[in-house]
Amino acid sequence: SAVISQKPSRDICQRGTSLTIQCQVDSQVTMMFWYRQQPGQSLTLIATANQGSEATYESGFVIDKFPISRPNLTFSTLTVSNMSPEDSSIYLCSVGWPNTEAFFGQGTRLTVV
Amino acid sequence: KQEVTQIPAALSVPEGENLVLNCSFTDSAIYNLQWFRQDPGKGLTSLLLIQSSQREQTSGRLNASLDKSSGRSTLYIAASQPGDSATYLCAPDPSGNMLTFGGGTRLMVKP
Repeated sequence: SAVISQKPSRDICQRGTSLTIQCQVDSQVTMMFWYRQQPGQSLTLIATANQGSEATYESGFVIDKFPISRPNLTFSTLTVSNMSPEDSSIYLCSVGWPNTEAFFGQGTRLTVV
Repeated sequence: KQEVTQIPAALSVPEGENLVLNCSFTDSAIYNLQWFRQDPGKGLTSLLLIQSSQREQTSGRLNASLDKSSGRSTLYIAASQPGDSATYLCAPDPSGNMLTFGGGTRLMVKP
């Protein structure tokens, strides 16, 4: 299993600003992902965070809006850039190893005003 | 593209009932299927992982079955309790933990 620490747990931000969310895992993991959960909706995969290379983004998500870093096997960041109220969501980090159980952090609740 | 449907969308029952939550998916080329629980405003807690070679998994009062060929999974909750109140999410995995989520079943168990 894996214990995931995600920071901040919540934030209220002004439109036009950026927020960086951190995901720290207590063990080395192969796979790290970022998901978004908009109000009243289910989870949507934003991107796969690749260690030492550029993230792989899903359709509808772009690097300029959601830059991701993954400097090592236990840490990743997601930045939400130039925020608008439509970015208000819960952002979740997920980790795992191929073909095994996926684990999730407690999420970052973002409100953009 | 994988599409996941969960039925019912919401369920309200008195304590003690046995429950059935349904999940269907369109692409049967999956490796695993996971069931999660999400409490309001919180992250996801993994409940059960069923690998494609398995037909079911059990944990306490929870039992999940998987029929890959028909694109269906079912989560059974026995003797429901108020503490079971949460949203239950189904997520098939083609491999590599890239999950596609259903809309969830919002469960309320009344004392």
